[in-house]
Amino acid sequence: SQQGEEDPQALSIQEGENATMNCSYKTSINNLQWYRQNSGRGLVHLILIRSNEREKHSGRLRVTLDTSKKSSSLLITASRAADTASYFCATGDQTGANNLFFGTGTRLTVIP
Amino acid sequence: EAQVTQNPRYLITVTGKKLTVTCSQNMNHEYMSWYRQDPGLGLRQIYYSMNVEVTDKGDVPEGYKVSRKEKRNFPLILESPSPNQTSLYFCASSLVGGGNEQFFGPGTRLTVL
Repeated sequence: SQQGEEDPQALSIQEGENATMNCSYKTSINNLQWYRQNSGRGLVHLILIRSNEREKHSGRLRVTLDTSKKSSSLLITASRAADTASYFCATGDQTGANNLFFGTGTRLTVIP
Repeated sequence: EAQVTQNPRYLITVTGKKLTVTCSQNMNHEYMSWYRQDPGLGLRQIYYSMNVEVTDKGDVPEGYKVSRKEKRNFPLILESPSPNQTSLYFCASSLVGGGNEQFFGPGTRLTVL
C-alpha cells in the first residue's frame, strides 16, 4: 500500500497556539496535498505542494516537504476553535491519473 | 454552485440486498473516484475513472462495481453487500492528471446488517 501515516494521531492545543502535524510516506510522489475533514463530512482541500517544492504558504497554513526523508509537515499558526477537525495528507502518484493515497489522519482539537 | 452530490446520505440494509450509491458532479471533471473511510484506516480507494467508459481498480475493489456511462455520474454498486462493507463512502472528482485537488461529496454512511 502507498498509504501514508500522520503523526500524532491526536493533538489538543489551546486557541492561539500553533499546531504541527507530520506525514510520512513510502513511495516517490508527484505532489502532496493536505485535506481537512470536519466530523463525518466530506474532505476539503487545503494546500498542494509539488515534489520539486520545499515549502508553501497559504494564509495561516505552512507546508514543508522533504522528499529525501519522504515526509511533510503542516503548520497551522494562531489556531482557532474552528480549526478543530481531522487533517489528512495525501500523496499523488506518478501515473497520468490523479490518484491520491491518504494517510490515517491527525485529529486536532483546539480548546477555546 | 460547483459540487459533488451523493445519494443516499444514509442507508441501512441487509446482507445480500443489491444497492447502488449514486455520485454526480457538475464541474465537467474527467476523473472520479470512490473511497471508503474506516476508523484508524483513513481513506482507501475503491475504484476510479479517468473518463467515460474508463474505470480501474483502486486498493480495495473486492465486492464493488462501478460504471461510467456519462461524464457527470459515477455510481458505486454493491451486488451482494456484506457486513464488512459497513463504512463511510466518499465520491470525489477532479481534473485528470497529477497535481489537481479533488472535490469530495458529503459522504454516504452505509450499514449492512
